Amino acid sequence: DADVTQTPRNRITKTGKRIMLECSQTKGHDRMYWYRQDPGLGLRLIYYSFDVKDINKGEISDGYSVSRQAQAKFSLSLESAIPNQTALYFCATSAPTSGSPGELFFGEGSRLTVL
Amino acid sequence: GQSLEQPSEVTAVEGAIVQINCTYQTSGFYGLSWYQQHDGGAPTFLSYNGLDGLEETGRFSSFLSRSDSYGYLLLQELQMKDSASYFCAPISSGSARQLTFGSGTQLTVLP
Repeated sequence: DADVTQTPRNRITKTGKRIMLECSQTKGHDRMYWYRQDPGLGLRLIYYSFDVKDINKGEISDGYSVSRQAQAKFSLSLESAIPNQTALYFCATSAPTSGSPGELFFGEGSRLTVL
Repeated sequence: GQSLEQPSEVTAVEGAIVQINCTYQTSGFYGLSWYQQHDGGAPTFLSYNGLDGLEETGRFSSFLSRSDSYGYLLLQELQMKDSASYFCAPISSGSARQLTFGSGTQLTVLP
C-alpha cells in the first residue's frame, strides 16, 4: 500500500460544485502539503500544515480551503469549483527533522477536471 | 523576490551523460533539492544539497554553489527509463522550509 494515499484519483465535476480531495498518510509525518500542477507550470503550493492546529496558506490559496482532521489526514476543498481549477493535485508529507530537509513524499495525485 | 531557471528540454542518447542546470534567486536560501517525475506520476525525491559541492547517489549527482546561486543535476550512463521531467526546488530558510518548484526540464533519452 502507498504511504501517501489520495482519493479520488480522478474526478470530473461541473462549475459551482463543491469538491473535496482527501489525503491520508501512514508515514507518521507531521508536515503535510497540497500542491497543484498545471502543464508547463511545475508545482505550486496551495496550503501546508505542520500539525493539526497549524495550517498555513501557500502561494495560490484563493478558492481553496483545507482541513487537518488528524495527523494522518489532510483534505483540500474547492467550495465552488471553476474551470481554471482543472489541474493535477498532489498531497505530500515531510519530516525534515528526521530525514532530508528537502525531501517530500508525494501521493499519486488527483486529477480534477472542472467543466 | 524569487526566481528559478532551468532548461525546458534536454535530449541525450542512451549511455551518455547529461547535466541539467538550475539558477535560482531565493530569499533566505537554505538548500536545493531535485525531483524526478515521469509522465502522469508522482514527483520523487532524488537529492538534496545543503552545502556547496557535489553529492553522489548512484548514477545521479547533484552540485551546489551558494555563491553563484547555481546548481546542477548530473545523470550518468543514461537509460531509457530516465526520460522524465526533472525539477530543481530551492528551499527557503525559516520554520516553513518551503520548496519552490520550477517548471522543470523534460529529459528525453533516445536509443
